[in-house]
Amino acid sequence: EAQVTQNPRYLITVTGKKLTVTCSQNMNHEYMSWYRQDPGLGLRQIYYSMNVEVTDKGDVPEGYKVSRKEKRNFPLILESPSPNQTSLYFCASSPLTVAYEQYFGPGTRLTVT
Amino acid sequence: QKEVEQDPGPLSVPEGAIVSLNCTYSNSAFQYFMWYRQYSRKGPELLMYTYSSGNKEDGRFTAQVDKSSKYISLFIRDSQPSDSATYLCAMNQGGGTSYGKLTFGQGTILTVHP
Repeated sequence: EAQVTQNPRYLITVTGKKLTVTCSQNMNHEYMSWYRQDPGLGLRQIYYSMNVEVTDKGDVPEGYKVSRKEKRNFPLILESPSPNQTSLYFCASSPLTVAYEQYFGPGTRLTVT
Repeated sequence: QKEVEQDPGPLSVPEGAIVSLNCTYSNSAFQYFMWYRQYSRKGPELLMYTYSSGNKEDGRFTAQVDKSSKYISLFIRDSQPSDSATYLCAMNQGGGTSYGKLTFGQGTILTVHP
């Protein structure tokens, strides 16, 4: 089954404790992206990647890191999480030629206390 | 001012009604206009996309883009309870250095009651 998977689905952590949210897709897509979704603010893009070793900032990259060492994986790293990073996070992927047609993962609910 | 504005609703309509969802935007460089649907506790899924201005129809759904007014719409005919979801508009420049950048509206919560 073609899909985007994220792990963990739920995470509660404390301020300053480094964490990684993994994202993997099995559709051989070049493009991958991370978003956060907050009430009243909608989906905001954090980082995106057009291919392996190519990443670019979205609208809200502060406090996040990404890497794209393999085509299928695009982990999101929070080196020192803060409470304002409490949010619902989505990973998405698409073929490069149709970056607007994105397939989303199921989401990761992160709470930072 | 946000680049993309969308009324968050919520919108509640009876089954069979025609639903109109709208977004306005300020960036004239946007070329691709998408509508995503998000069911509760799920990731968004692409419903329709339109390139540049014009209309596009897919079953009960019609997407309209008016670039001169910087205004896009999604119409749902004969709405069904299964259409109850959050609808998000999204926009993309379609080329250049911002090719991979998508900008979303806040989303409109729609409930269709039997």
